[in-house]
Amino acid sequence: SQQGEEDPQALSIQEGENATMNCSYKTSINNLQWYRQNSGRGLVHLILIRSNEREKHSGRLRVTLDTSKKSSSLLITASRAADTASYFCATDARGAQKLVFGQGTRLTINP
Amino acid sequence: DTGVSQNPRHKITKRGQNVTFRCDPISEHNRLYWYRQTLGQGPEFLTYFQNEAQLEKSRLLSDRFSAERPKGSFSTLEIQRTEQGDSAMYLCASSLIGISEETQYFGPGTRLLVL
Repeated sequence: SQQGEEDPQALSIQEGENATMNCSYKTSINNLQWYRQNSGRGLVHLILIRSNEREKHSGRLRVTLDTSKKSSSLLITASRAADTASYFCATDARGAQKLVFGQGTRLTINP
Repeated sequence: DTGVSQNPRHKITKRGQNVTFRCDPISEHNRLYWYRQTLGQGPEFLTYFQNEAQLEKSRLLSDRFSAERPKGSFSTLEIQRTEQGDSAMYLCASSLIGISEETQYFGPGTRLLVL
């Protein structure tokens, strides 16, 4: 079963705008990771945030984590057409090695 | 390209046939994972290996599924007597356990269609 939920399920914005995606999960975690998946392709790792971190940046990506609310957000700034993809959050519960994924957010960047 | 390769990339088979997929992880990675992803869903964990030992199997992994990693390098996932419900993308990932954060790197996947 899926651990968490991404919100929204689909997001369509204009190129240059910022895109924000949210993820909620259910159990205590070690880390939370965000992945991108282009249609029909494998997953590309974007960023990992540890449970003792609150915010992390990587290029145009900003991730926040609120363990008290069991939620995370991914912000993509200055979006580009190439950012069009599905975005998944994944958690590894404490004591477990597997990743548990949400259902993903389908992001469309309109030129 | 993450460095994880999977073969074949696509497989079409008839119901009842057996299929085998291969995953070659990043060479120094000691953990290897298999996931299954159906259309519109996130990947779901199937099983994982640390070196050659299979340490966890999901209840999704029925008796028709078997995975091996005989020398702690590449892995195979076999599905016997395939069913239409087995149609999915099968993803392999690898990671290196150690003192720092453990990122799983995914291969391109094998897309299976059972007719």
